[in-house]
Formats: sequence, C-alpha cells, structure tokens
Amino acid sequence: EPEVTQTPSHQVTQMGQEVILRCVPISNHLYFYWYRQILGQKVEFLVSFYNNEISEKSEIFDDQFSVERPDGSNFTLKIRSTKLEDSAMYFCASSETPGRNSPLHFGNGTRLTVT
Amino acid sequence: SQELEQSPQSLIVQEGKNLTINCTSSKTLYGLYWYKQKYGEGLIFLMMLQKGGEEKSHEKITAKLDEKKQQSSLHITASQPSHAGIYLCGADEYGNKLVFGAGTILRVKS
Repeated sequence: EPEVTQTPSHQVTQMGQEVILRCVPISNHLYFYWYRQILGQKVEFLVSFYNNEISEKSEIFDDQFSVERPDGSNFTLKIRSTKLEDSAMYFCASSETPGRNSPLHFGNGTRLTVT
Repeated sequence: SQELEQSPQSLIVQEGKNLTINCTSSKTLYGLYWYKQKYGEGLIFLMMLQKGGEEKSHEKITAKLDEKKQQSSLHITASQPSHAGIYLCGADEYGNKLVFGAGTILRVKS
C-alpha cells in the first residue's frame, strides 16, 4: 500500500540553526500538509499546500517556517532559525483532493529536538 | 475555532472485552476522521464519516456519527493486544484543515 515517507526520523539541532524536514507524499496525491505534535499535546495543523502554493496556514506557521516542493516527489518544511519551543514531532500528510471526501494519510513523522 | 473532546482519556481493558471511545465536537461536524497512533509514530487512518447517522466498520472496529449530538463513537469488539494505541478523532474545519482531539490511550491486558 502506498505510504507517505519522512526523513529523517530524528533530528537534533542547536537553537538558531536551520533545519529541513523532508517528505515524499503518496504519488497520485495533490494536496500536502504539515502538522506537528509537541510532546503530550494535540496534533496541530501548520500548513496546507496545493499547486505549488500555500492554501492555508495556521498562526504557528510564522516567517520562520517555509514549505517547498522542489521537484515532483519531495515536499519540505524548513525552519530558518530553530527555537527550543520548535521541539516536536512533525508529520507530513497528503490527500488526493481537498475538502471532505479524501482522508489525509500521514507519514511516521520526524522527531525534532532543539537544544 | 472547533474543539474536539475525547472520552475517556485512557482506558485499560481485558483482552476480549468490548469498548467505546467518544468524540464530541463544539461545532457542527461536517467530516469526522478516526486515526490510530502508536506512541512516537505516525497516524494511521482508520475511518472517515461524512453524514449524520453514518456507520462504518473495519474488521472489529465500528464508528458512528451522530450529527445532532455533534458526536462520534468508536467501538471495538473483542479487543486484542493489537488494538492498543492512541485513538484520535479529527474534524474537518474546512478544506482538510483537521482539528484533533487529545486522544484516548487504550491498553489491552492479555
């Protein structure tokens, strides 16, 4: 069964450093998302992406965050200058269509630790 | 914004027993998703409910959507150790922006 793959599975970085989290969505999916889960808290929406542009973003997704689809298969989340509070599990997801007819399929996540 | 409350927060059941997890929304539910998460891992899609009164089953797991009560329930019949994990409900605010509940931790004792 096709799946969303994320790399790396763990990333440790120092405060102020840039990180790039990578995702390969399911091949026939057109809509891509990033969510995050701080330890012990709810899964939170960060951003959705379609047709090479951001469709929706949350308040969390400030100027330090950016997303890109650099080629036909990868979808990346960049954090320019990491803060301690960015430590979380970051999940990539994809869906065939937007709206309420197509479930999101999630990757296994990247655990980001900022020291 | 929409809030989802799940109950119970956690439960421990004996293998073979049935159990129910509830998810109540603060707003009208237009789409309700159930996911399962193992600790530290990704979310596995279980079921999507779109219409009031809709009920879906997959193996021993059944989910229902009660639109009037703004509530969904997830029922597991004859629980097994493989059912252990965290069950999350997610509601579609708009355009696939999902809002999630805090999750229900299920442990199954063998």
